[in-house]
Amino acid sequence: QQPVQSPQAVILREGEDAVINCSSSKALYSVHWYRQKHGEAPVFLMILLKGGEQKGHEKISASFNEKKQQSSLYLTASQLSYSGTYFCGTASGTYKYIFGTGTRLKVLA
Amino acid sequence: DAGVIQSPRHEVTEMGQEVTLRCKPISGHNSLFWYRQTMMRGLELLIYFNNNVPIDDSGMPEDRFSAKMPNASFSTLKIQPSEPRDSAVYFCASGYLNTGELFFGEGSRLTVL
Repeated sequence: QQPVQSPQAVILREGEDAVINCSSSKALYSVHWYRQKHGEAPVFLMILLKGGEQKGHEKISASFNEKKQQSSLYLTASQLSYSGTYFCGTASGTYKYIFGTGTRLKVLA
Repeated sequence: DAGVIQSPRHEVTEMGQEVTLRCKPISGHNSLFWYRQTMMRGLELLIYFNNNVPIDDSGMPEDRFSAKMPNASFSTLKIQPSEPRDSAVYFCASGYLNTGELFFGEGSRLTVL
């Protein structure tokens, strides 16, 4: 079953923060985050493993709550280059990587 | 190093025709995934291979779709016969199965008229 992301879309001004949530109905082994710019392929941002620590990438970090089967992506002091669609990807032990519904992020100057 | 290479980048065909999409994964990667992306359904996993062996094809929509990986450096996704609802961007991605980091090709945009 496809993970559900919220919000579906968000518009920010440069310098503002955002949180994107990913929720699964199945027990998760790992959660990965990708960003896809318009007309391009998804690009890997980070992976969070069950029992692992919160990860960070520049001003983008994420957390993984195994019990709640949820992950959140935190974008701090957003930049124009952060615009795109963010996907969470999940695997349930069999390395069957499926992607969430996506969150469209637009950062305005 | 070259990334994942997909061909063709764009394909326009008529309903009923056979379509073959090709993918060359990054050398050394042991897993290969085929995804389909549409506005309505997002990124759908169609099938994935590990060490050239199909592991899960439960996402393949119907018997019209088939995928092969004859060797570690080549995979195909075939649609026969094609239908307008197959119009989408098809992505191939490769990686190491236990890392979760997938490298995507640029995609093949298919339009079935």
